[in-house]
Amino acid sequence: GDSVTQMEGPVTLSEEAFLTINCTYTATGYPSLFWYVQYPGEGLQLLLKATKADDKGSNKGFEATYRKETTSFHLEKGSVQVSDSAVYFCALGDSGGGADGLTFGKGTHLIIQP
Amino acid sequence: EAGVVQSPRYKIIEKKQPVAFWCNPISGHNTLYWYLQNLGQGPELLIRYENEEAVDDSQLPKDRFSAERLKGVDSTLKIQPAELGDSAVYLCASSLDSDIQYFGAGTRLSVL
Repeated sequence: GDSVTQMEGPVTLSEEAFLTINCTYTATGYPSLFWYVQYPGEGLQLLLKATKADDKGSNKGFEATYRKETTSFHLEKGSVQVSDSAVYFCALGDSGGGADGLTFGKGTHLIIQP
Repeated sequence: EAGVVQSPRYKIIEKKQPVAFWCNPISGHNTLYWYLQNLGQGPELLIRYENEEAVDDSQLPKDRFSAERLKGVDSTLKIQPAELGDSAVYLCASSLDSDIQYFGAGTRLSVL
């Protein structure tokens, strides 16, 4: 079945550091890919998405590129802030955009120190 | 616009007791999802509704879990009886025409 593997956390960085959170997936067909973020005490929020190979999703300085050849969707940000501290989830959905429900990775806890 | 509302936020019960969670999706959203999130894990889909019809309940443990979405709006997820292993966060999400899913803050269940 479908699965998502993302790097273990917690990941601790200093403010203004470069961020990469790795995500790889296993799926049949051509899934849509997502990054969700969960701030303390809040629900999951969509951060960005990509629906086909070579698409780049971007939002709030974060970006991720759908790489079909490596089955990856790594999350990057050039300069992190303390306010980026949260848990980040990589997820995949069906080719229709996730209508059938999403398959999530385990999440990566990001801690940004001032 | 109000987001997905779940209640209660927290629930503590003893094992073998029944428990129910309520979800009010974003107005107009026809698709509703219930997910289970264990500690340190990502959410896992339990059931998906299209309007009032459960179109995917393959991951719902039907011996003790049940769900309903009367009139295609609010939804209730029930566990009866609860077991220690049911301690987790129960998330509700909704979407319009199967587009982006919007999540509620979840209900954290502790079974003692």
